[in-house]
Amino acid sequence: DAGVIQSPRHEVTEMGQEVTLRCKPISGHDYLFWYRQTMMRGLELLIYFNNNVPIDDSGMPEDRFSAKMPNASFSTLKIQPSEPRDSAVYFCASSLYVQGTEYGDTQYFGPGTRLTVL
Amino acid sequence: TQLLEQSPQFLSIQEGENLTVYCNSSSVFSSLQWYRQEPGEGPVLLVTVVTGGEVKKLKRLTFQFGDARKDSSLHITAAQPGDTGLYLCAGGDTDKLIFGTGTRLQVFP
Repeated sequence: DAGVIQSPRHEVTEMGQEVTLRCKPISGHDYLFWYRQTMMRGLELLIYFNNNVPIDDSGMPEDRFSAKMPNASFSTLKIQPSEPRDSAVYFCASSLYVQGTEYGDTQYFGPGTRLTVL
Repeated sequence: TQLLEQSPQFLSIQEGENLTVYCNSSSVFSSLQWYRQEPGEGPVLLVTVVTGGEVKKLKRLTFQFGDARKDSSLHITAAQPGDTGLYLCAGGDTDKLIFGTGTRLQVFP
């Protein structure tokens, strides 16, 4: 069974350009998370969806960032315009809510997209 | 804001040594998970602890959840080069996780 798929794996762009990162969660999972990881700030939650609906986007750094989940099998994270400080590894993760579970379920992470903004 | 502080931040040891990584917070969490991340990959779940005082063992790894559910520790016995990686604790907060600052472990042969 395929895990979480992210594309592209590497992206190098110039400041001011639009960047779109893509994610395909594990089939049947109802939660999707977008994270950003840097050495300075660690792993930060940007936004997450439940059944394709955004639940909490308080981690999105600013209006230049937007995320969508048009269906259960696809999500995008867009940065427009990009800036050098956006350089990081962006991870997508998915999980399945288990009825009766009172705690956070296992999150399955994709391999990440390494973004470099010059 | 809920924060999870891990210590030490970096750890370099020789194969065969024992080590303990700590994860501390001022907040109470419903659960505590530990993940390991290898270079170029996403984090992978090692264990979940949910009860205060709970201890779980995974081969040479021992995980403990503090009685007050605010802290946790990971102890590795006889570390091996294959244990090298970034160790992340994560506190359960309803339907999301709050990740710790991470401990980067390097085990030399």
